[in-house]
Amino acid sequence: QKEVEQDPGPLSVPEGAIVSLNCTYSNSAFQYFMWYRQYSRKGPELLMYTYSSGNKEDGRFTAQVDKSSKYISLFIRDSQPSDSATYLCAMTHNSGGSNYKLTFGKGTLLTVNP
Amino acid sequence: SQTIHQWPATLVQPVGSPLSLECTVEGTSNPNLYWYRQAAGRGLQLLFYSVGIGQISSEVPQNLSASRPQDRQFILSSKKLLLSDSGFYLCAWSVGGGLDTQYFGPGTRLTVL
Repeated sequence: QKEVEQDPGPLSVPEGAIVSLNCTYSNSAFQYFMWYRQYSRKGPELLMYTYSSGNKEDGRFTAQVDKSSKYISLFIRDSQPSDSATYLCAMTHNSGGSNYKLTFGKGTLLTVNP
Repeated sequence: SQTIHQWPATLVQPVGSPLSLECTVEGTSNPNLYWYRQAAGRGLQLLFYSVGIGQISSEVPQNLSASRPQDRQFILSSKKLLLSDSGFYLCAWSVGGGLDTQYFGPGTRLTVL
């Protein structure tokens, strides 16, 4: 079983739709979770960062973590064509200390159609 | 604010030629630095990371090497490129000894012919 599973898509939605992107993971020690957005031929940019379980909201984006189910989600409300990108989840189980590595999902390609 | 630079942006090299990709970070001190390769359908593969000058950890055995000659400079090298070295190379940094959130550079697209 892979440590992090992410549906690669592609996912195509109309403008204004609510988008749900998801990752599952197997390592119960993960407690820091991130979402990155990567436009074509660009480096990933950090979108959301959450610690442990719960929700975090930033504008049209909401990150949700369910540690009991080992499941994280990113919701995009009122999706825009500019949201078209690949979304990568990432996670780690230490803050500083000796662990400097993130475990990434393979990314979901999202297209928002005008 | 912190910025991260990579160059070149695009590179086309013949098989067997050497490689040198450079990454520099501005606006922070003693960062952790990382090199990743991203190939289509394979996600982000961590190649090397460094927690300080001259300290390099290798994640994947290959014909690539990394060096950190200065605090905010990270270099990826190869003596002889293989076709399989083609890909999108990303440098990233994170706060040294702090949160593991990583911030990525713009990347270098390498094509080996």
